[in-house]
Amino acid sequence: QVQLVESGGTVVPPGGSLRLSCATSGFTFSSYGLHWVRQAPGKGLEWVAFVRYDGDNKFYADSVKGRFTISRDNSKGTLYLQMDSLRLEDTAVYYCAKDQFRLDYWGQGTLVAVSS
Amino acid sequence: QSALTQPRSVSGSPGQSVTISCTGTSSDVGHYIFVSWFQQPPGKAPKLIIYDVSQRPSGVPDRFSGSKSGNTASLTISGLQAEDEADYYCCSYAGNYIWVFGGGTKVTVL
Repeated sequence: QVQLVESGGTVVPPGGSLRLSCATSGFTFSSYGLHWVRQAPGKGLEWVAFVRYDGDNKFYADSVKGRFTISRDNSKGTLYLQMDSLRLEDTAVYYCAKDQFRLDYWGQGTLVAVSS
Repeated sequence: QSALTQPRSVSGSPGQSVTISCTGTSSDVGHYIFVSWFQQPPGKAPKLIIYDVSQRPSGVPDRFSGSKSGNTASLTISGLQAEDEADYYCCSYAGNYIWVFGGGTKVTVL
């Protein structure tokens, strides 16, 4: 069955960096675009970034553009999110989701807390 | 990249129907069929329940239905059940590889 498992979330100081991973199984990874979506505590969902199936094209929400980098390793079936210059407002549970338009499968999320 | 507009909460008794609206613009909801709905129980990850405005993934009960008129999409839950109590989010493609979510609606079963 399709599985997505995020990892890498932790407490990080403002201005710090962090890399999240999303390990996948159960589908042909290299055939699907993938998203990162986040949810601040007690708040709604916010789209963060998307990478096409081939990894050559990457797109970002204005709130993270220039600070976050999405990437993927099709040989490992893994999606990444490099987060630099972290701000307090980046505190959230970060989810990875499969499929460009359907977002049909999600991971369980990993918590990133930006705090001094 | 403005969020889509959803009511903060809706409620209904078991067996009743409730409808959640999701209002966007002619650049997102009004322009594309790529409107999805997600159900998120407390403390859990979102789950896809409607895609392409009105399509149900395998395993989603037919009590859940979606529609769209102009810049507003809607999710209807018919025959409301206790297990339907959750937060519900709409999401639309907005062009140029940008996606936008609604603010979320809390469904309470009375």
